[in-house]
This record gives sequence, structure tokens and C-alpha cells, in this order.
Amino acid sequence: EIVLTQSPGTLSLSPGERATLSCRASQSVSSSYLAWYQQKPGQAPRLLIYGASSRATGIPDRFSGSGSGTDFTLTISRLEPEDFAVYYCQLRITFGQGTRLEIK
Amino acid sequence: QVQLQESGPGLVKPSQTLSLTCTVSGGSISSGGYYWSWIRQHPGKGLEWIGYIYYSGSTYYNPSLKSRVTISVDTSKNQFSLKLSSVTAADTAVYYCARYSNYVEWGQGTLVTVSS
Repeated sequence: EIVLTQSPGTLSLSPGERATLSCRASQSVSSSYLAWYQQKPGQAPRLLIYGASSRATGIPDRFSGSGSGTDFTLTISRLEPEDFAVYYCQLRITFGQGTRLEIK
Repeated sequence: QVQLQESGPGLVKPSQTLSLTCTVSGGSISSGGYYWSWIRQHPGKGLEWIGYIYYSGSTYYNPSLKSRVTISVDTSKNQFSLKLSSVTAADTAVYYCARYSNYVEWGQGTLVTVSS
């Protein structure tokens, strides 16, 4: 069973800064199945990135995904106030434990 | 664009069976290529895949829940359902129905509380 480990657990940044979130798989995986989601309180997760690097419909281009093998990254180039939320990576039926992005 | 809507009781007593239904619109549950799924999230915690059913009827259940879970599909109503038996307070969570292929498309979620 593949385990996804996200780091850091919490990331404290200011609006306008760059955010880099990591998702590491316990073994090499196909990037076709790696997705990233954003979740705000009281809401369902929202798809941001699929296939490791493809932006979902309507997602701003400040969000980008990269990586292959065991290491994947979600980058938010310049944080907007609405970007502060919890982010999850997902591969098939496995989710990472999440990274909380909070305002510094 | 597919839409998924959960329905069912928001309060279940301990030892009883939790039953939820997901109504699918904007897409046929009989079409191949999708795994019709249930995912839950305990309050303030991460996401846990409960299981899925393929249109053919084949299923996968999370091993930690397998003995208590049944997922079924009703193609005539374009719905699929979750039954979780012998619930305890530890089953209190937001339950999401979802469609999965290369990524998850989510329902809005429904909070189910297990309490007497």
C-alpha cells in the first residue's frame, strides 16, 4: 500500500509570498494519478491539479504542480488571501495527511 | 458536468446502521471508467477512502472498515449507496460521495453524527 507524506504539516506565509508544498510517495508512482486539492472550512475539497501538473478548469495560473516518481510539489506563486486553506495530495485511493497553509 | 448529492439521516444511534444515498446527475452511473466512491472526513481530520463500486458491480472496501461496509448501485435511479453497520461515535464524520477516475469529483458532503 502506497503512503503519501505531505510536508510541512503547517506552512505560515504572508500574502504575496511563494508557497511550496511537498507530497512524497513511499514508492515510485505514475504521475497520471497524482492530484492536489484545496479545502476550506465547511467545504468539500476542490480539485486544483490532476496528472501531477495539469490545472483543473477555472484554477488560477498561480497554482502549478510538478514532480515525478516519488516526489511531487504544489507551488502557489504569489499567495492571495483566499489561498489560505488546507491542501491534500491524492493518488488513487490514498490521500496525504494535508498541509495547512496559514497567514503569518 | 457531473453533480453528486448525498442524502440520508444526519443522526444515527450507536450500534445501528448508517445508510446514505448519492444521487448522480449530469452523467450516467452505468458509464464505464469511473469508480463511484464514498470518502469520509472526521471532524478536523484528513480524508479517508471508505470504498468504491464500479458500474459492473465490483467493489473495493477499505480494509479497516471492510467487515462493516456495503456499497451498492441502483442504475435505474442513477444512485449508489453506502451502508455502514454497527456504528460508534468514531464513525461521526462528514461523508462525501464522489466520482473517481484520474481525480475525484465531490459531492458537497453530509455530516453524520453517531449519538444516542
